[in-house]
Amino acid sequence: AQSVSQHNHHVILSEAASLELGCNYSYGGTVNLFWYVQYPGQHLQLLLKYFSGDPLVKGIKGFEAEFIKSKFSFNLRKPSVQWSDTAEYFCAVNAANNAGNMLTFGGGTRLMVKP
Amino acid sequence: DTAVSQTPKYLVTQMGNDKSIKCEQNLGHDTMYWYKQDSKKFLKIMFSYNNKELIINETVPNRFSPKSPDKAHLNLHINSLELGDSAVYFCASSQFLEWTEETQYFGPGTRLLVL
Repeated sequence: AQSVSQHNHHVILSEAASLELGCNYSYGGTVNLFWYVQYPGQHLQLLLKYFSGDPLVKGIKGFEAEFIKSKFSFNLRKPSVQWSDTAEYFCAVNAANNAGNMLTFGGGTRLMVKP
Repeated sequence: DTAVSQTPKYLVTQMGNDKSIKCEQNLGHDTMYWYKQDSKKFLKIMFSYNNKELIINETVPNRFSPKSPDKAHLNLHINSLELGDSAVYFCASSQFLEWTEETQYFGPGTRLLVL
C-alpha cells in the first residue's frame, strides 16, 4: 500500500524566513502529487499539484514544489513566509494503481509564522 | 458559489445514536468521497463512490455507510456512534473514479463530537 511521510510535524519560522517542507511517498509507479493547506478552522484548499511535465510546479500564494522522482519526494517551498501562512500543510499522493482514486495523505506539518 | 458543501458544520451527539452528514457538489462531478480527519489531524479516505461503484477503505467499520440520492449528493450515515468516531469528516469530489490527472475538491468539513 502506498504511504506518504512528512518529516516535519511542527515548524516555527519568523516572517521573511524561507520554508521547505519535506514529503516522501512509497509508490514506485506513476503518481499524482498534491499539497493542500488547511488554515485554522477552515477546509482543505489546494496549493499546487503535479501530474506530469516540468517537475517544478508553482502554486498559489508564492508556493512551489519540486518533484524528484529518484528520491520519491515532492517538497514544498516558499522563499519568504508571511504570518498569514500559519496553517497545517498536507502532502497527498494518488498512485495510478490505486483502486477508487483515493488520496493518501501525509501526517501534516503545522507551520507557525511569528510576526 | 460553494463547490462542495456539507451540513451540518458541527454535530454533537450521544454515544449509540445514529446520525447523518450531508454533502452536495455543484461541479457536475461523477465521483464523491468521504475522508476522516482525527484529533491528530491524520486524514484517511473512507469511501470512493460513483453511480456504478462503491469502494470502501477496509478499515472503515460497517456502521458507516454512504448513501447517494443522486450524483450531486453523497451522504454519510453513521449507526451506533462511538466515542472514537469523533473527528472532522470531509467530503470531496472529482470527475472520475478511475485514476487520471485531476484534482479532488474538498468541502468545509463537519466536526462531529460524540459524548
